[in-house]
Amino acid sequence: EAGVTQSPTHLIKTRGQQATLRCSPISGHTSVYWYQQALGLGLQFLLWYDEGEERNRGNFPPRFSGRQFPNYSSELNVNALELEDSALYLCASTFGGLNIQYFGAGTRLSVL
Amino acid sequence: AQTVTQSQPEMSVQEAETVTLSCTYDTSESNYYLFWYKQPPSRQMILVIRQEAYKQQNATENRFSVNFQKAAKSFSLKISDSQLGDTAMYFCAFMKAASYDKVIFGPGTSLSVIP
Repeated sequence: EAGVTQSPTHLIKTRGQQATLRCSPISGHTSVYWYQQALGLGLQFLLWYDEGEERNRGNFPPRFSGRQFPNYSSELNVNALELEDSALYLCASTFGGLNIQYFGAGTRLSVL
Repeated sequence: AQTVTQSQPEMSVQEAETVTLSCTYDTSESNYYLFWYKQPPSRQMILVIRQEAYKQQNATENRFSVNFQKAAKSFSLKISDSQLGDTAMYFCAFMKAASYDKVIFGPGTSLSVIP
């Protein structure tokens, strides 16, 4: 069974551009979570999608947004990139009743 | 708000020895889940062990075991017979049980297993 997959592995952008990160959950999982892991700051919760709806978001500005598609895959968009957006972005998936989140290998976003 | 604290930024252990990683948390919830995740240099976050707060028995997974002290809000991880492949960042994490909510992570402990 395939795990959580994220693409691309690495992404290099310049300040002011937009970045799109993608996540495919484990088959059968309906919830997708996004986390930002910035150097020295640990993992910070970004967004939670379940059944196509945004259920919760962390303390991040509105230029961080996303969506979940009917096949439960998800996309994270970061607009107007700033240097401090450089981080590893991790996606996790789960399904109701399990209470365990399974993580992908992440997308390393570098903003120059 | 819930917080998770790991007071040991870095630790090292000799191969085959035992090491304990500390974690404390703060919450007003009565029912919740606690986790230890491992993140090796490959970046893949791997679940090591999971504890349900309403269960008094400490969770164990092969060489990994926890000491869960609910009253003290302490959740330490013991790794027995340490192996080189255990070298990684270890994150203690908390999740409310009311719904499959976000996971709150501690800052992590970098563990190095020395041959």
